[in-house]
Amino acid sequence: DAKTTQPPSMDCAEGRAANLPCNHSTISGNEYVYWYRQIHSQGPQYIIHGLKNNETNEMASLIITEDRKSSTLILPHATLRDTAVYYCIVRVAGGNQGGKLIFGQGTELSVKP
Amino acid sequence: GAVVSQHPSWVICKSGTSVKIECRSLDFQATTMFWYRQFPKQSLMLMATSNEGSKATYEQGVEKDKFLINHASLTLSTLTVTSAHPEDSSFYICSARDERGAWAEAFFGQGTRLTVV
Repeated sequence: DAKTTQPPSMDCAEGRAANLPCNHSTISGNEYVYWYRQIHSQGPQYIIHGLKNNETNEMASLIITEDRKSSTLILPHATLRDTAVYYCIVRVAGGNQGGKLIFGQGTELSVKP
Repeated sequence: GAVVSQHPSWVICKSGTSVKIECRSLDFQATTMFWYRQFPKQSLMLMATSNEGSKATYEQGVEKDKFLINHASLTLSTLTVTSAHPEDSSFYICSARDERGAWAEAFFGQGTRLTVV
C-alpha cells in the first residue's frame, strides 16, 4: 500500500503558486520523498525529491517539515500546462529498490485561466 | 537525459489474441525495468520488475502466465499480454532504471493504450 496521503483534487489560478500537500507520517529515516506528475495519457514525469532539507529545481520547490511527516510541493507560477495528477511517493533511494515506485491516488491539479 | 520509448503507443486487438509491447532505453543500459498498468481514473499499479537475463518478479495478484515479460537485452524489455480479453484493456506503462547516477532513478515511457475488442 502507498504510504502517503494526498487530497484528491485541487484548483489553482494561472500564474499563482500551487501548493500541493502530502502526508507521510510513517516515513522511515532512510526514505526519501519523491514527486512525480502525470499529464493525461502520458507516462509519469519526475519532478523533485528530498530527504529532509528543502529542495528547489527548475520545476518546483519541495518543503519538508522538520519531523518529516509531511511535505509540500510548490509550483511557483502555475501554467495551464501544469494541469496533471501529482504523485507524492516515499521510498528508499538507490540500491536494488531504486526506481521501484508504489503510486498512491495522487492529487489532480487543475490550473484555471 | 534518459529516454525511454514504448512501442506501440496504442493497439487494438481481438479478444483471444496476444499483444506484445516493447520498452526500450534509448540512451542508457537498464538491467532493471518496471511494468505498470493503469485503468481509467485510477493510479498506476506496479505489475512486475523485469530483470535482464533472469525471470521477472511479479507483484501479488498479477498472473505471470498471462503477462509474459522478457528482458533479453540491456535496452529492451517486452510485455506480452496473452489471450487478451476486454478486461485487459488498459494503459500499460514501463520505466527503466538508470544506474549511471547515484540515485538509480527510473524514467518512464510514454505508455501503450491497449484496447481489446
